[in-house]
Amino acid sequence: EAQVTQNPRYLITVTGKKLTVTCSQNMNHEYMSWYRQDPGLGLRQIYYSMNVEVTDKGDVPEGYKVSRKEKRNFPLILESPSPNQTSLYFCASSSQAHSLGTGELFFGEGSRLTVL
Amino acid sequence: AQTVTQSQPEMSVQEAETVTLSCTYDTSENNYYLFWYKQPPSRQMILVIRQEAYKQQNATENRFSVNFQKAAKSFSLKISDSQLGDTAMYFCAFKPSYFGNEKLTFGTGTRLTIIP
Repeated sequence: EAQVTQNPRYLITVTGKKLTVTCSQNMNHEYMSWYRQDPGLGLRQIYYSMNVEVTDKGDVPEGYKVSRKEKRNFPLILESPSPNQTSLYFCASSSQAHSLGTGELFFGEGSRLTVL
Repeated sequence: AQTVTQSQPEMSVQEAETVTLSCTYDTSENNYYLFWYKQPPSRQMILVIRQEAYKQQNATENRFSVNFQKAAKSFSLKISDSQLGDTAMYFCAFKPSYFGNEKLTFGTGTRLTIIP
């Protein structure tokens, strides 16, 4: 089954304690990205990757890091989480076909993160 | 930069009725794609419908159709014969069409409730 898998689905942590949200896709997609969803703000892009070892900032990258060492994985790292990073996070992936108007952007099931 | 505006934070309709969700966007691009995504209480992001800006014909998917007005930069979603399973948050999203740009810009969402 084609899917994007995120872990953990839920996490409560404290300010300053480093954490990683993993994301893995099994569709051999080139493109992966991270979004955060906040009430009244919709989804905003944090970082994206066009392929292995190619990453770039989205609209709200402050406080986050990413890496793309393998095509299937795109972890999101919060080096020193703060309460304003409490949010619902989504990982997404797509093939090059999505750029050309076909294909689809596949989303993970979301990770609810609370920073106290 | 593109912006997407959804001016209806919440809507509710009776089951079997027709409802229209509004979306406007601002862009200087001439070629792009527009999407409606559905997010039920499960949080999963589900693609409802897609429209290519170069196509004049409005996209339809079963009970879902769009009214795409390119000059007015308007992209509304019509749900006919609404069902309880249509209860969800709906997001309008924009993507430029040129290859290599995979970023979706989302609106703030409309929470739709179908009343039995």
